[in-house]
Amino acid sequence: EADIYQTPRYLVIGTGKKITLECSQTMGHDKMYWYQQDPGMELHLIHYSYGVNSTEKGDLSSESTVSRIRTEHFPLTLESARPSHTSQYLCASSESLYLGALNTEAFFGQGTRLTVV
Amino acid sequence: TQLLEQSPQFLSIQEGENLTVYCNSSSVFSSLQWYRQEPGEGPVLLVTVVTGGEVKKLKRLTFQFGDARKDSSLHITAAQPGDTGLYLCAGGIRKIIFGSGTRLSIRP
Repeated sequence: EADIYQTPRYLVIGTGKKITLECSQTMGHDKMYWYQQDPGMELHLIHYSYGVNSTEKGDLSSESTVSRIRTEHFPLTLESARPSHTSQYLCASSESLYLGALNTEAFFGQGTRLTVV
Repeated sequence: TQLLEQSPQFLSIQEGENLTVYCNSSSVFSSLQWYRQEPGEGPVLLVTVVTGGEVKKLKRLTFQFGDARKDSSLHITAAQPGDTGLYLCAGGIRKIIFGSGTRLSIRP
């Protein structure tokens, strides 16, 4: 069973509010990821990290920001939520064998379903 | 940018039928993975294929990696309602990217 946790599971918030989605893993994985997914649709990579103090933007442009101060923690922040941010946000982690290695299994949290009204 | 295209996008079949789902790219991948996602949950890894031409079996599921390592297929024999879900292929070296997904529905 994967040891990666996301909170909250569901969030309904008003336009203009600042929100932080939490993601924590206890597996000691170096690589962590944030994906955005509309119901039943494909996953879009919005942020990823190779380790502490390392963050990169993904393929889908996002107004969110991330930080990686501790290995186990990878929070995502929206400074001013808008209805267009309504979606499911999935956090994942994977073990980094060595740079350029084959990707190992990605473990996912249960996701945060965000609704901005 | 590496892209993974899956087909079909949706598939609804009767219990007991066979089906094949495809994952294609114009790029070469060192490995490809297949995940299955159920509603309200995150994707869960089914298999990783590494060698060109490799075939892996997981009970009624057969996964194949193309010889050129640009494509992969998932074949399900005698589909059951429990196979219903979103099937995603994934790959990449520095970051994991996902295919567009195939939503599979098995009717009893």
